Amino acid sequence: EAQVTQNPRYLITVTGKKLTVTCSQNMNHEYMSWYRQDPGLGLRQIYYSMNVEVTDKGDVPEGYKVSRKEKRNFPLILESPSPNQTSLYFCASSLSRGVDEQYFGPGTRLTVT
Amino acid sequence: GQQLNQSPQSMFIQEGEDVSMNCTSSSIFNTWLWYKQDPGEGPVLLIALYKAGELTSNGRLTAQFGITRKDSFLNISASIPSDVGIYFCAGDLFNNDMRFGAGTRLTVKP
Repeated sequence: EAQVTQNPRYLITVTGKKLTVTCSQNMNHEYMSWYRQDPGLGLRQIYYSMNVEVTDKGDVPEGYKVSRKEKRNFPLILESPSPNQTSLYFCASSLSRGVDEQYFGPGTRLTVT
Repeated sequence: GQQLNQSPQSMFIQEGEDVSMNCTSSSIFNTWLWYKQDPGEGPVLLIALYKAGELTSNGRLTAQFGITRKDSFLNISASIPSDVGIYFCAGDLFNNDMRFGAGTRLTVKP
């Protein structure tokens, strides 16, 4: 089954404690991206990757890091989480950037206290 | 960055009623997409629109790409309880930059 998986689905952590949210897709997609979803703001792109070892900033990259060492994986790293990063995070993948259908993961709800 | 203005923010309707929501922007978009997000899930693509003026249907859903390329609407006819969720518009700017609306939360009363 074609899918995008994220782990963990729920995470509660404290300010400053480094964390990683994993994302994996099994569709051999080149393009992957991370979004955060906040009430009234919709989906905002954090980072995206056009291919292995190619990453770029989206609209709201501050406080986040990503890496793309393999085509299927695109982890999101918060080196020093802060309460304003409490949000619902989605990973997505598609064949290419833009018009191709993006497949979204199930989401990771992060709470930073 | 440029965001899309999506309205209404929320809707409460009776089962069987028709629904209409729309997105507007001051920018011209290459493509318009409509997604639905079920509770606890990620968004799923409903309809993709590629040409100005295009009208496309998917079952009870109909969407149109505005002639000016700056707006789009989504209609749902004869709503049913499983239509509940958040509907997002998304636009692809000509530089392959995707933008999302803030979403319309739909509640359907049986």
